[in-house]
Amino acid sequence: DTGVSQDPRHKITKRGQNVTFRCDPISEHNRLYWYRQTLGQGPEFLTYFQNEAQLEKSRLLSNRFSAERPKGSFSTLEIQRTEQGDSAMYLCASSLGGDRSRNEQFFGPGTRLTVL
Amino acid sequence: DQQVKQNSPSLSVQEGRISILNCDYTNSMFDYFLWYKKYPAEGPTFLISISSIKDKNEDGRFTVFLNKSAKHLSLHIVPSQPGDSAVYFCAARWKVNALNFGKGTSLLVTP
Repeated sequence: DTGVSQDPRHKITKRGQNVTFRCDPISEHNRLYWYRQTLGQGPEFLTYFQNEAQLEKSRLLSNRFSAERPKGSFSTLEIQRTEQGDSAMYLCASSLGGDRSRNEQFFGPGTRLTVL
Repeated sequence: DQQVKQNSPSLSVQEGRISILNCDYTNSMFDYFLWYKKYPAEGPTFLISISSIKDKNEDGRFTVFLNKSAKHLSLHIVPSQPGDSAVYFCAARWKVNALNFGKGTSLLVTP
């Protein structure tokens, strides 16, 4: 399977704990995105990488959230001191760079986080 | 503020008929629009897209229409099939490549 993969698929944690999610994009894609989706809502943009550079961060990304893409391939999203409001589906997407007209974003299956 | 709006939370259509899903947007700077389909417990799957310089794009049973003056787009599925039952998200892109999504429309195609 050469699509976007995410790990873990599900994570249950207690409030105050730290969690880390991983995303492996489609191999030739140099752009990587993180979104969050809560019940009844569409995905909301969190942050975007082009290669290893984090180029954009949403105001939704509080200082408890940090994302990295150290070698321009896989990415990690860490949430420190989790709160119940962090419970959501965390989606990763990737796209080709270059011609903007062809950079449709392809999504992974998501990591569902539940904070107790 | 919600810049992309899907005002119909759900839609039910008979198999073989046309499904029309609607989307409105407020930001005239959006330059690219996409439709995604989502099944439960899966990530959104890209379906079809349209550039703001076009008014129609067709791919098999799926056609997207864009009316820039009305800031409105629609997705037509003809003929509808039971496997099309899913949540459909409209998304729009501006500048930094982040997508702005609507809240989705749940489509049910009945046999």
